[in-house]
Amino acid sequence: SAVISQKPSRDICQRGTSLTIQCQVDSQVTMMFWYRQQPGQSLTLIATANQGSEATYESGFVIDKFPISRPNLTFSTLTVSNMSPEDSSIYLCSVGGTQTGNTEAFFGQGTRLTVV
Amino acid sequence: AQSVTQPDIHITVSEGASLELRCNYSYGATPYLFWYVQSPGQGLQLLLKYFSGDTLVQGIKGFEAEFKRSQSSFNLRKPSVHWSDAAEYFCAVGAAGTASKLTFGTGTRLQVTL
Repeated sequence: SAVISQKPSRDICQRGTSLTIQCQVDSQVTMMFWYRQQPGQSLTLIATANQGSEATYESGFVIDKFPISRPNLTFSTLTVSNMSPEDSSIYLCSVGGTQTGNTEAFFGQGTRLTVV
Repeated sequence: AQSVTQPDIHITVSEGASLELRCNYSYGATPYLFWYVQSPGQGLQLLLKYFSGDTLVQGIKGFEAEFKRSQSSFNLRKPSVHWSDAAEYFCAVGAAGTASKLTFGTGTRLQVTL
């Protein structure tokens, strides 16, 4: 299994500002993803973080709003830009896959974001 | 594209009673299937997974699930529920080739009465 450290664990931010969330894994993984969980809702995939190239975004999510970096096989960041109260959610990093094949997804503890 | 349906938004069972949470999926090929549990204020914990082989899979905390291709289902069961099982349960499907890229169902909230 993979151990994922996600920071910060929670934050309260002013509207119009940006927050960068970090995801650090204790081993090299091939796949890294970012999900959003709105209050009382299920998880929705925002994007796949690709190492050394631009992230692949799901329908309804755009790079200008959710820029993502992945400089290596163990680290990624998600920025929530120009925040509004509608961005209040839990943001989760997940990882999966090794150099030898598929694995299930492992999740960080999430970042609970409140925008005021 | 794959999809997952969890028909039951909220289920209440008595402690010691049996439990079955329903999950139906839509996917063209053999899917990777998962059940995750999320306790209040906690992250997601994997209960069990199906990749291939035996269609009855055992998981942690006494849970099991059965993959039924003919019904496109992957229902979660537990013979005797404990109060600590109260949580949100998510069924998820992974696309072939990327088992970790998941589409989640809407979740079922389990309440356990004493």
